[in-house]
Amino acid sequence: GAVVSQHPSRVICKSGTSVKIECRSLDFQATTMFWYRQFPKQSLMLMATSNEGSKATYEQGVEKDKFLINHASLTLSTLTVTSAHPEDSSFYICSARVSQETQYFGPGTRLLVL
Amino acid sequence: SQQGEEDPQALSIQEGENATMNCSYKTSINNLQWYRQNSGRGLVHLILIRSNEREKHSGRLRVTLDTSKKSSSLLITASRAADTASYFCATLIGSARQLTFGSGTQLTVLP
Repeated sequence: GAVVSQHPSRVICKSGTSVKIECRSLDFQATTMFWYRQFPKQSLMLMATSNEGSKATYEQGVEKDKFLINHASLTLSTLTVTSAHPEDSSFYICSARVSQETQYFGPGTRLLVL
Repeated sequence: SQQGEEDPQALSIQEGENATMNCSYKTSINNLQWYRQNSGRGLVHLILIRSNEREKHSGRLRVTLDTSKKSSSLLITASRAADTASYFCATLIGSARQLTFGSGTQLTVLP
């Protein structure tokens, strides 16, 4: 089946630094990818929709200047958490859409901001 | 915001028993999907049921959908310890076909 990878799988950084998370579709092209955030014991919350070659669409309450999304190719979307703070610590998951009904999810990236 | 709620929030059963999880949603749907998430991992797609279907089976999984009540259930039969995970229902909404997830059920199967 289709595979989506994320890198890094976990990252620890100091408050105020920026962190980039990559999401790759390994064996298919994805014009649309999605970024989710999941806090412990909670559900996934959609942050933004990433469209190849155009600006991302952010959900209400998600700061576009803080969570920079770049979808420069059909197989790669990146999420950069700028000036990270402890409250940004979370599990970030991406998915890539393969059809109108189907998305494949990456394994997630655990971010811990000290 | 979340599309719906799932109950129970947590379920603990013995190996071999059946596990039933319920999901309610708010808006009209074309389909409803169930996903599984092992602790600290990504999501695995389990099954998709379309709005014109009432029941669907896949191995030990049985999903029902009642569009009049805006609810779905996931039944796992003859559970195994390896079924221990969180289970989420999800519906597609919006023009971008975004998945919106329910609150999830944490299933623990005791050996």
